[in-house]
Amino acid sequence: DAGVIQSPRHEVTEMGQEVTLRCKPISGHDYLFWYRQTMMRGLELLIYFNNNVPIDDSGMPEDRFSAKMPNASFSTLKIQPSEPRDSAVYFCASSLPYSEAFFGQGTRLTVV
Amino acid sequence: GEDVEQSLFLSVREGDSSVINCTYTDSSSTYLYWYKQEPGAGLQLLTYIFSNMDMKQDQRLTVLLNKKDKHLSLRIADTQTGDSAIYFCAVIFSGGYNKLIFGAGTRLAVHP
Repeated sequence: DAGVIQSPRHEVTEMGQEVTLRCKPISGHDYLFWYRQTMMRGLELLIYFNNNVPIDDSGMPEDRFSAKMPNASFSTLKIQPSEPRDSAVYFCASSLPYSEAFFGQGTRLTVV
Repeated sequence: GEDVEQSLFLSVREGDSSVINCTYTDSSSTYLYWYKQEPGAGLQLLTYIFSNMDMKQDQRLTVLLNKKDKHLSLRIADTQTGDSAIYFCAVIFSGGYNKLIFGAGTRLAVHP
């Protein structure tokens, strides 16, 4: 397996625009996590899914953020409208139950 | 609440031992991990320990777990410049359905 694949690797967008980040987990993994990394707040868990169902979205900062997992091999994190304070590196990770989480390379988002 | 705390910076001389500390709030956590992040990359699992263990050794790495104090540490013996990275402590919280929470990360700088 190629590992967790995220796209795009870099995204620069203007404030107010919609941004969609994509993730393909490792095949067979039941869990998918979305994290955000910033210098100020470290690595924050935004939302995670089990078998495509959102389990805990308490880390999603605002209604501007939404995440979906329409099938076992694809998830999206959408920000609409985007703001400069959303600039961060967004990571997707997947795992089997109570096992090591494998991370993608991340998407570096810059909102100007 | 669910919290994992780490000091943010550690500077050591090449060849010395490094000790990175972590505290967490959930006394029932069963799975505890150390991840490493190199510049521009995602996180990779370094080592892990189960809550029924007090210590685990893996080559230059030693993990110590004090369940009573909810304290986890990672010792790197004979630290090398290639060990310079950010080290994250991560805990699966027992109430949470495989909910994986990370500390803010400790940036290790190794100088000659």
